[in-house]
Amino acid sequence: DVKVTQSSRYLVKRTGEKVFLECVQDMDHENMFWYRQDPGLGLRLIYFSYDVKMKEKGDIPEGYSVSREKKERFSLILESASTNQTSMYLCASSFRHTSYEQYFGPGTRLTVT
Amino acid sequence: AQSVSQHNHHVILSEAASLELGCNYSYGGTVNLFWYVQYPGQHLQLLLKYFSGDPLVKGIKGFEAEFIKSKFSFNLRKPSVQWSDTAEYFCAVKEGNTGKLIFGQGTTLQVKP
Repeated sequence: DVKVTQSSRYLVKRTGEKVFLECVQDMDHENMFWYRQDPGLGLRLIYFSYDVKMKEKGDIPEGYSVSREKKERFSLILESASTNQTSMYLCASSFRHTSYEQYFGPGTRLTVT
Repeated sequence: AQSVSQHNHHVILSEAASLELGCNYSYGGTVNLFWYVQYPGQHLQLLLKYFSGDPLVKGIKGFEAEFIKSKFSFNLRKPSVQWSDTAEYFCAVKEGNTGKLIFGQGTTLQVKP
């Protein structure tokens, strides 16, 4: 079974704090993705990575950065958390050239106060 | 860029009723299409996918979807819903060759026992 794990299920941070969300997959997938999920807006892509040290901006990258130093690990960084970043954050992974099916982690519910 | 539209935002059905959730994508050519489901408190998981071949695709838990190229549609169906089908449903289409998926806004299905 493919496993995508995320470092926390729930997180509460203060405005201005630096926040790290970590994602690990065990299927040797080339692609990894970070989304945020908000009611009525579906899933919006923040960043994705198709290889180690490679990254591309998604639809809503402002206020976020990412890091991919190892193939299995993809981190999302909120440089200075703001209340409008309160959301559910989902990580996913997939093979790059076949299937394209994305496997999702359980999500991190981040609250910024 | 590709986009996906799900017309029904919130659907309420009684058990044993038939279900059809609409999904339209914005432009044609070769498309790879997906339906994902998110049960309450669980991670997103794949229901079914279409890559090529038979336009009627069968997925898990009795769901099916029909790809109609001329209508740019990929509607999800189930002949008889159960209370356990209560969930949020997302349609997605692959964009380009990077493995990115574009998701619709989601449809919340509530099945009354």
